[in-house]
Amino acid sequence: QQPVQSPQAVILREGEDAVINCSSSKALYSVHWYRQKHGEAPVFLMILLKGGEQKGHEKISASFNEKKQQSSLYLTASQLSYSGTYFCGTDVIQGAQKLVFGQGTRLTIN
Amino acid sequence: DTAVSQTPKYLVTQMGNDKSIKCEQNLGHDTMYWYKQDSKKFLKIMFSYNNKELIINETVPNRFSPKSPDKAHLNLHINSLELGDSAVYFCASSLRTVANTGELFFGEGSRLTVL
Repeated sequence: QQPVQSPQAVILREGEDAVINCSSSKALYSVHWYRQKHGEAPVFLMILLKGGEQKGHEKISASFNEKKQQSSLYLTASQLSYSGTYFCGTDVIQGAQKLVFGQGTRLTIN
Repeated sequence: DTAVSQTPKYLVTQMGNDKSIKCEQNLGHDTMYWYKQDSKKFLKIMFSYNNKELIINETVPNRFSPKSPDKAHLNLHINSLELGDSAVYFCASSLRTVANTGELFFGEGSRLTVL
């Protein structure tokens, strides 16, 4: 039931772009994205809902392909502050309030 | 004001002891959670409460017992601690919606080390 993220780690230079993917084997009702910096709590970035609605930060974009049960997070013109571990969380049971997280993608900006 | 606060931030204890972690949220949310993050950074849901009612209880050993005295508080008590319990425990809260889990607000985490 745990979604699978790829890649597991990314190293970028400032200004470069990155895409982080999240795949599920089950139909999804929503996909969340969170960023966790070392020693800190995860922080909400974006939620993508079934039907196309999105809520989140203006500088971050993401897509949700319901048919493919996949989501992608797009980080453009990366800055040092983007460093951290990115987690996707998925809802597979409607209304269950059970967000299951992927294994994380570690992003390092040099 | 801290939205979701946990105490203590650090616990170091011996195997076999009992410990508790407290969590409080001032966001007016009706759903609260405990997540465990292991050394590999894997975030796993343990429990979820909605308005003091347990709604999610993952396959967690009986040694872990959550308690929610009111919808703003969710505590976690752990009996007979084992080495494998060493982890960071995050409390979180969200507003419940019918269709989807709302945005999670996490506490700062409580790092438990069992010796």
